[in-house]
Amino acid sequence: RKEVEQDPGPFNVPEGATVAFNCTYSNSASQSFFWYRQDCRKEPKLLMSVYSSGNEDGRFTAQLNRASQYISLLIRDSKLSDSATYLCVVPLNTDKLIFGTGTRLQVFP
Amino acid sequence: DAGVTQSPTHLIKTRGQQVTLRCSPKSGHDTVSWYQQALGQGPQFIFQYYEEEERQRGNFPDRFSGHQFPNYSSELNVNALLLGDSALYLCASSVSYEQYFGPGTRLTVT
Repeated sequence: RKEVEQDPGPFNVPEGATVAFNCTYSNSASQSFFWYRQDCRKEPKLLMSVYSSGNEDGRFTAQLNRASQYISLLIRDSKLSDSATYLCVVPLNTDKLIFGTGTRLQVFP
Repeated sequence: DAGVTQSPTHLIKTRGQQVTLRCSPKSGHDTVSWYQQALGQGPQFIFQYYEEEERQRGNFPDRFSGHQFPNYSSELNVNALLLGDSALYLCASSVSYEQYFGPGTRLTVT
């Protein structure tokens, strides 16, 4: 099993739609998780941190299921500006982040 | 407050040459990590520096080396460049788990 696995997509959704991405991880000892957003040819930017069962920030909700070892990211009321690649990140320790390959989202008018 | 900065932005080198990439961390951050991102892939961890020492290393050959200076800035050196080294090289700084990335250096090896 890969350390971090994501569906690469692309997910093509209309404006206003709700979309969810899943990410599975293999290291059961991981305590914290992150979602980063990466625009084309730009650096990843921290979107959300997940330290317990979940986190909500406006239209974005991240949930953690430790028993099944997966993290999800839900985006409600999608905007055109949400189009990007979303990277699931699992720290092995404080030093080393393991990135998934990313899920590409395209929101169309 | 300046974020993480990297230089140069773009670089073109020939196989066999050597390259040095530079990174200045976000103010207040003492830890610098380096990542390689190939097209269509997520960033791959190269190594991390803290207190001027390499703290942990990913699965990269010894051709990849680094350094951290007393002001926490860092360099990534790659020797004997291969075509497969062409990628976006990202630097991230942190004080804990949350890492903040610079804009990256795009290296092309011909």
